[in-house]
Amino acid sequence: NFMLTQPHSVSESPGKTVTISCTGSSGSIASNYVQWYQQRPGSAPTTVIYEDNQRPSGVPDRFSGSIDSSSNSASLTISGLKTEDEADYYCQSYDSSNYVVFGGGTKLTVL
Amino acid sequence: QVQLQESGPGLVKPSQTLSLTCTVSGGSISSGDYYWSWIRQPPGKGLEWIGYIYYSGSTYYNPSLKSRVTISVDTSKNQFSLKLSSVTAADTAVYYCARVGDPKVFDYWGQGTLVTVSS
Repeated sequence: NFMLTQPHSVSESPGKTVTISCTGSSGSIASNYVQWYQQRPGSAPTTVIYEDNQRPSGVPDRFSGSIDSSSNSASLTISGLKTEDEADYYCQSYDSSNYVVFGGGTKLTVL
Repeated sequence: QVQLQESGPGLVKPSQTLSLTCTVSGGSISSGDYYWSWIRQPPGKGLEWIGYIYYSGSTYYNPSLKSRVTISVDTSKNQFSLKLSSVTAADTAVYYCARVGDPKVFDYWGQGTLVTVSS
């Protein structure tokens, strides 16, 4: 079964840059698009990156996404960190059978 | 603006069937451009995809839940539903419904509803 693995938590200071990784268990992560979702406590997730590196309208350009085929991983990078970025972040993709997979989530602390 | 709203019992007894409905407003389930999905999140844990349905009735289910899950659609009411049978405490979670665009982007979510499995 296809799985996506994320670090459990990351932390960084305001104004700095943080990168959250999402590693595919098998096959090529570049074969299907990766999305990233932000979830604040008590709220539903919202999309911050879709199709590997596209930002929905309203998402600041401090958020960016990329794919690294050599490590079979996707990354979400947030620059100029703000306290409001503190949240859980989930990567998501799908396999050749159209089954959806979410990563386990990463808790971002901005301190 | 598309909106989704989950509804259903907040408490289900073990071994019974969990039933939820998602009502879609601001857009038609029959438009054909989207799938309609259920996702759940146990307290303090991550997101788990349950499955999705196309307006025509085609379904895809998480293999780990497939034997217990049924997702159906009622285009006349602009609703889709989830049934999860033989529930246990492990099925206690916030259940979300969502719209899924191409390629598998969950672009609109309901607010979520907590379902507790307990006697």
